[in-house]
Order: sequence, then C-alpha cells, then structure tokens
Amino acid sequence: DAGITQSPRHKVTETGTPVTLRCHQTENHRYMYWYRQDPGHGLRLIHYSYGVKDTDKGEVSDGYSVSRSKTEDFLLTLESATSSQTSVYFCAISAGSGNTIYFGEGSWLTVV
Amino acid sequence: GQQVMQIPQYQHVQEGEDFTTYCNSSTTLSNIQWYKQRPGGHPVFLIQLVKSGEVKKQKRLTFQFGEAKKNSSLHITATQTTDVGTYFCALKKDSNYQLIWGAGTKLIIKP
Repeated sequence: DAGITQSPRHKVTETGTPVTLRCHQTENHRYMYWYRQDPGHGLRLIHYSYGVKDTDKGEVSDGYSVSRSKTEDFLLTLESATSSQTSVYFCAISAGSGNTIYFGEGSWLTVV
Repeated sequence: GQQVMQIPQYQHVQEGEDFTTYCNSSTTLSNIQWYKQRPGGHPVFLIQLVKSGEVKKQKRLTFQFGEAKKNSSLHITATQTTDVGTYFCALKKDSNYQLIWGAGTKLIIKP
C-alpha cells in the first residue's frame, strides 16, 4: 500500500457531462500519474505531474485535463465525457522519474 | 520512437506447467521493471533489472535482462493458481524519463 486513494472508485455518467477523478497520496511523492487501461491496449499514460502546478501530457491526453494544486492531490478531468473514455483509470506515484511505479486501486468509469 | 513488444498476449497452462513472457525493445534500455496485475486489481511492482545479463529470482519466478539490454524475460516454474494475472514489463531509456509499458501477457490456468 503506497498511500494512494482514488475517488470515486466507480462511476457511471452520461455522454457530454464533465467528470473529475481524484487521486490523493499521503507520502509526499513528487511524481504522480494518470493512466487508463483498456483491453488490448495495456496501460497508457494520460498526464503526469512532477510537482505542484507542473504537469505534462502523456500519450493519450486528448479530452483530458489535470491539475495539481497541492502535492498530495492530482485531479483528472474529462471536460465532456465520451463513450470512448469508458475505461479503468489508475493513479500512480513514483519517487522519481522512471522509478518504480505504485498504483492506486483504480476508478472504473462508464460513459453511457 | 521507443518500441516495446511483449509476447505472448495470452498463455494458457495447466497448473504445474511453466510460463514465460518476453519483452523486447528496439533500443538499448536503462532498466526494465516487471509488474503483476491480478484480475480486477491494480498492477503491483515485482522487480527491476538494471545490469546487462542480470538474473534475479523470487521463489518460482526468474527474471532475466539480456546481454544487450534490449530484452527481458519472466519465467514462472510450476505455475500455481495464485500466479494467475497479467504480467507487464515497463522500460526506461537513458534519456527518456517516462516508463514505456508492454501490452502485458495474461496467464490463464486451465481448469
């Protein structure tokens, strides 16, 4: 357990609505990540953060935004959810860039 | 760009048989990490390999890093039901600060 909490754990939302997923960590790690996992695609990086207010895009960032106003919280927002964003979303942390990744338990999002 | 191939995508084995997954990169790596994800769970770190030709063991699991640091394997001897899940490799290049993930190999134990 790396002290990572994701919320909500499960959510069903309608197409076109905004959705925010929250990741909270208790161990003051600098790097935080949001991944999505879909069958046949493995883990794909959406966005990551290397400090408060320091974020960058991953390989599948379109349709997503993030914010990190405090070290412990990293928010992922879907501005207008689409069915293609139905997925399992994992938050993760690492002690340093490219170092061992520790994942949260995941947030299951269904867009109908 | 960085390419990583992990094979096979699935492997069905009888309990007690061996299992192997391979991860291949198109370029030389700084290190490689292995993770396991149980069904319905989240990926969990298993091990990191750094040195050329490195071999590490964890009970029935043997991890190898190729001499050229472009490939790696995970071998499980005498699989048990607790081994079921998907095994991922994650690669790090020297100049790339993000991990690149393989697609995973799903280990399925035949009933």
